[in-house]
Amino acid sequence: EVQLVESGGGLEQPGGSLRLSCAASGFTFKNYEMNWVRQVPGQGLEWISYIGSGGSTKYYADSVKGRFTISRDDAKNSLYLQMNSLRAEDTAVYYCARLVIGDSVRGAWFDPWGQGTLVIVSS
Amino acid sequence: DIQMTQSPSSLSASVGDRVTITCRASQSISSYLNWYQQKPGKAPKLLIFAASSLQSGVPSRFSGSGSGTDFSLTISSLQPEDYATYYCQQSYNIPITFGQGTRLEIK
Repeated sequence: EVQLVESGGGLEQPGGSLRLSCAASGFTFKNYEMNWVRQVPGQGLEWISYIGSGGSTKYYADSVKGRFTISRDDAKNSLYLQMNSLRAEDTAVYYCARLVIGDSVRGAWFDPWGQGTLVIVSS
Repeated sequence: DIQMTQSPSSLSASVGDRVTITCRASQSISSYLNWYQQKPGKAPKLLIFAASSLQSGVPSRFSGSGSGTDFSLTISSLQPEDYATYYCQQSYNIPITFGQGTRLEIK
């Protein structure tokens, strides 16, 4: 079964740091591009970061650029999100999601998603 | 950034109803449009990819259509388990963007 399991969320003070992890199983992790998507409770979905297979290509949403760093360890089948300089507006459920690439006609889509880990930034 | 606008934002419907949710992109995205279903406390689940392709395991009452800037998700006969929030998402450009969601409620 293809599965993603996030961990590392919790309560952190503004200005603090957290590192989220996402453990992958049931597929060849190194072959897939991975992403982080977050959701403020009661609100919509916001894509925040992408990492290519191999780890050399990375993209970030403007809202987290310069503060968050995405990385991966293919030997451990794991994806990470280092979150620094946390702000109250970073409070959200953070999901990791595998990006499935179709072709030039079909594009790409997120499947599956992890169950999410809640990050609360508050003093 | 490509803006994705869903309508309506919320919708009340009865079991057995035919329901359509629309999604408009701020520029052409070809068929790079996906639909997700999210139930309270759960992760989003892929329903439709590439505008009209049904994800494996998803009931055939779900269908998607459209290309360019205008897309739709249709549920042909609403079932009790379909009450959820639905999101469209474009993969044409970075940043990947989602619609604001459509909350489907029981009438």
